[in-house]
Amino acid sequence: DTGVSQNPRHKITKRGQNVTFRCDPISEHNRLYWYRQTLGQGPEFLTYFQNEAQLEKSRLLSDRFSAERPKGSFSTLEIQRTEQGDSAMYLCASSASAGGDEQYFGPGTRLTVT
Amino acid sequence: RKEVEQDPGPFNVPEGATVAFNCTYSNSASQSFFWYRQDCRKEPKLLMSVYSSGNEDGRFTAQLNRASQYISLLIRDSKLSDSATYLCVVNWGGTYKYIFGTGTRLKVLA
Repeated sequence: DTGVSQNPRHKITKRGQNVTFRCDPISEHNRLYWYRQTLGQGPEFLTYFQNEAQLEKSRLLSDRFSAERPKGSFSTLEIQRTEQGDSAMYLCASSASAGGDEQYFGPGTRLTVT
Repeated sequence: RKEVEQDPGPFNVPEGATVAFNCTYSNSASQSFFWYRQDCRKEPKLLMSVYSSGNEDGRFTAQLNRASQYISLLIRDSKLSDSATYLCVVNWGGTYKYIFGTGTRLKVLA
């Protein structure tokens, strides 16, 4: 399967713990996006990477959130000191800079903070 | 005004009907527009890009109206399998940020 993959698919954690999610984009895609989606809402932009450079970050993203894409391939999203309000689906998408920037999404990681 | 607005619906239509959704955006500098389809508890899937000249893909037609700052999606001859939430996406002009609408729910009835 050459689509976007995300791991883990589900994560249950206790409030205050740190969690890390991984995204593997489509191999030839140099652009990578992270979004968060809660029930009844559209995906909310979190951050954007072009290759290994983080070029855009939502003002809504608190300093408990950090993302990396060290070699311009896979990316990780870490949430420190999780809160119940962090419970959501975390979606990763990738696109190619050549073309119209159509984004292809992974299946997401569903986070539940208890 | 919200950055991207959609009527949440639901739109309940009979099979074979034609249905249209609009999506308004507030940033006049936005350049890229898309429609995505999302099934319950699944990831969004790209339906089509929206070009300035409009574009058609089978039963689906997308149009852009820059003057009034909205995009539209028309679905002809609705099928049961078209039941889903339709999300519009707009690039926030001058940035790498993409803004999704809250989605419009469509239910096609037999």
